[in-house]
Amino acid sequence: EIVLTQSPGTLSLSPGERATLSCRASQSVSSSYLAWYRQKPGQAPRLLIYGASSRATGIPDRFSGSGSGTDFTLTISRLEPEDFAVYYCQQYAISPWTFGQGTKVEIK
Amino acid sequence: QVQLVQSGAEVKKPGASVKVSCKASGYTFTSYYMHWVRQAPGQGLEWMGIINPSGGSTSYTQKFQGRVTMTRDTSTSTVYMELSSLRSEDTAFYYCARDSCGGDCPGYFQHWGQGTLVTVSS
Repeated sequence: EIVLTQSPGTLSLSPGERATLSCRASQSVSSSYLAWYRQKPGQAPRLLIYGASSRATGIPDRFSGSGSGTDFTLTISRLEPEDFAVYYCQQYAISPWTFGQGTKVEIK
Repeated sequence: QVQLVQSGAEVKKPGASVKVSCKASGYTFTSYYMHWVRQAPGQGLEWMGIINPSGGSTSYTQKFQGRVTMTRDTSTSTVYMELSSLRSEDTAFYYCARDSCGGDCPGYFQHWGQGTLVTVSS
């Protein structure tokens, strides 16, 4: 099983600031089969990024993903109010599908 | 547009079973695998298993082997997740999520149901 470790656990930032979230895998994620999701309170997760760097339909360009192998990054260039939420990375290269434990982006 | 609509909240006693439904619309039901994910209150996401709506084949994560059963009804485009021998630790939101890949290939979770809260309490 691929274990995903996200850091930091909590990120305290102000609206308009840049957020950088990290996801590290216990073994290489083949073909960059890594996705990112945002989950707002009381809602289901929403897909942001797939294939490590491709934005999902309707996702604004302030979201970008990068990385390969075992190290991946989600960057939010300028935080909007709706971006204060929890973010999860997920690998879908091999079963079982696994998620990181999440990074909470909170208002400073 | 793709929609996944789940059944309503449930309250169960320890030792009982629960069956959650997920009705799909807006696409060809048998063309995309469906996953089940659970989330305990205030906790992270945990993948439970996958079902192929076409043939009904399933694969479950080891943690739930022997307690979970995923089925489908192609006549109503609905998938089901049944969890037995419930304990308090099973209190969680249960989500269905449609795979992005229309076939036997790696897929992310493109569409999600709204979630069903299952509470296990005596």
